[in-house]
Amino acid sequence: GIQVEQSPPDLILQEGANSTLRCNFSDSVNNLQWFHQNPWGQLINLFYIPSGTKQNGRLSATTVATERYSLLYISSSQTTDSGVYFCAVEEIGGATNKLIFGTGTLLAVQP
Amino acid sequence: DTEVTQTPKHLVMGMTNKKSLKCEQHMGHRAMYWYKQKAKKPPELMFVYSYEKLSINESVPSRFSPECPNSSLLNLHLHALQPEDSALYLCASSQVGRGSGNTIYFGEGSWLTVV
Repeated sequence: GIQVEQSPPDLILQEGANSTLRCNFSDSVNNLQWFHQNPWGQLINLFYIPSGTKQNGRLSATTVATERYSLLYISSSQTTDSGVYFCAVEEIGGATNKLIFGTGTLLAVQP
Repeated sequence: DTEVTQTPKHLVMGMTNKKSLKCEQHMGHRAMYWYKQKAKKPPELMFVYSYEKLSINESVPSRFSPECPNSSLLNLHLHALQPEDSALYLCASSQVGRGSGNTIYFGEGSWLTVV
């Protein structure tokens, strides 16, 4: 099956810093989503982005499907950005609605 | 606020107990999911229902039994669990099919401890 690797696995930032999180996937996808999991376990959908670039406030994401990676940018980070960031993909040719999660990036933003 | 509601939020059960986790959504979605998440790991897909029929079972042990009574409800029946089944169980929903707009929404999860 498809492999989804994220980097870095852990990241510590000072408040106000910028960061880039990466998601690499081993096969072609037709669905890619970014999520933020808060310390209480809630998974919040940030972006649906199988290709192209999107922005939402301080967050933006870019997926280069032909090169099998996606990037999540966080600018002017805040302590509330802390948590785990996951990308999740649906493989072209795989089962419909089979969304597979990446390994995650644990982000800690310090005041 | 999440539009996918899971109950209970916390559950402690013995290995001989029978319990159920419940999930409800009113977004008109026809795909519903159960994921299992262990500490410091990504969510792992367990089951997917499409149009109230089981479409994906990721080789989950039979002590986990899903049920989709209607398009808004999803249950996970638990019986004879093991301590290693302790985890966060996440329910989710989305539109059925591939491609555009198929955003998936998660509930807040049910924290399960098996003693």
